[in-house]
Amino acid sequence: DAKTTQPTSMDCAEGRAANLPCNHSTISGNEYVYWYRQIHSQGPQYIIHGLKNNETNEMASLIITEDRKSSTLILPHATLRDTAVYYCIVATRGTLYGGATNKLIFGTGTLLAVQP
Amino acid sequence: NAGVTQTPKFQVLKTGQSMTLQCAQDMNHNSMYWYRQDPGMGLRLIYYSASEGTTDKGEVPNGYNVSRLNKREFSLRLESAAPSQTSVYFCASSELRDSNQPQHFGDGTRLSIL
Repeated sequence: DAKTTQPTSMDCAEGRAANLPCNHSTISGNEYVYWYRQIHSQGPQYIIHGLKNNETNEMASLIITEDRKSSTLILPHATLRDTAVYYCIVATRGTLYGGATNKLIFGTGTLLAVQP
Repeated sequence: NAGVTQTPKFQVLKTGQSMTLQCAQDMNHNSMYWYRQDPGMGLRLIYYSASEGTTDKGEVPNGYNVSRLNKREFSLRLESAAPSQTSVYFCASSELRDSNQPQHFGDGTRLSIL
């Protein structure tokens, strides 16, 4: 199973871009990179995912290096409500009776603290 | 937009008691999952169900059983609760047809076993 490495914690000033790094050097060719976040006492919230191309949605941008061994999640204008633990996950595909599903293996994530 | 609904939100049990945690989703998803989260740790997969009628073990299945009652509902049962099962339990669901679609999580059940 591919594993990820993230810094334990990061700070960011409100209104500035938050850049959260993730290393996944053992990622397989068909495995996607997912980012989730968890605000205190809530369930994880999906942010974005990608395979090898950079991706952008209304929440964030995902930059994946050409060798796919690392990625960066970018929150373009961080707010206080973005304070959360951010998880970088490489999905492990599972199969059962011909069906396919993703088994997400969560690490301990990065605690992003947005400062006023 | 209910999404994934878990009940109860909080529960206290005594060692040896049994309990079923309920989860329902209204997004017509095929796959459903149960995770536990211990303090200061990430989520760990207990069981998952790729589609209605199927279940499979995750990382930490010991002490738990699951039932995929229908497409909407996926329950987690503790037959004889132990203090080590004190945790926050999260249910999630996702599409099957495109298995790279993200999982959507409920808000969790906080379970304490004395």
